[in-house]
Amino acid sequence: DTAVSQTPKYLVTQMGNDKSIKCEQNLGHDTMYWYKQDSKKFLKIMFSYNNKELIINETVPNRFSPKSPDKAHLNLHINSLELGDSAVYFCASSPSGFGSQPQHFGDGTRLSIL
Amino acid sequence: GENVEQHPSTLSVQEGDSAVIKCTYSDSASNYFPWYKQELGKRPQLIIDIRSNVGEKKDQRIAVTLNKTAKHFSLHITETQPEDSAVYFCAASAGKLIFGQGTELSVKP
Repeated sequence: DTAVSQTPKYLVTQMGNDKSIKCEQNLGHDTMYWYKQDSKKFLKIMFSYNNKELIINETVPNRFSPKSPDKAHLNLHINSLELGDSAVYFCASSPSGFGSQPQHFGDGTRLSIL
Repeated sequence: GENVEQHPSTLSVQEGDSAVIKCTYSDSASNYFPWYKQELGKRPQLIIDIRSNVGEKKDQRIAVTLNKTAKHFSLHITETQPEDSAVYFCAASAGKLIFGQGTELSVKP
């Protein structure tokens, strides 16, 4: 049973396209996150939702729009994809928000922009 | 802004030796310090964490120490094994996790 599952695992697309990544957790956690891991392995938080409410919104281009239909799901939509968006995107969840609880990561979505 | 510095960036040890990875953080309000292990192509996995009211925590071969005054925390792995080879990340949180740059640990048999 995968605790935090992301789809798709791989995403290869052209510059300028729009794409979405989906995330679901079955841990009963209240808080979910999106992280970006670049080619140098650096992990940086993008967004966080606590019980469907946006609580962290880092300096991310507004081409990135997260949506949380319920506390078990957090999706990420990206418009007008650019070469610099190529990265691995990780979803994570934790029992509660504000970064002071263990976070469980999904397996990641490797996004490649051609 | 908040910053976490991690050293070294690469570390190579012989099997059975100890490995130490060090991190410093800038935000004195940080109160939670997890360590993650990431194997190649896999997700980061929590291996140990420590809160600001504790100075040291141990779990089998892994230990973490925290010096709040100096804003330092360290990961110690004893009796290293080849399967310990991975990238290790420290992080500090004062509301959100700020990750260090990662340490690529290689354990040679």
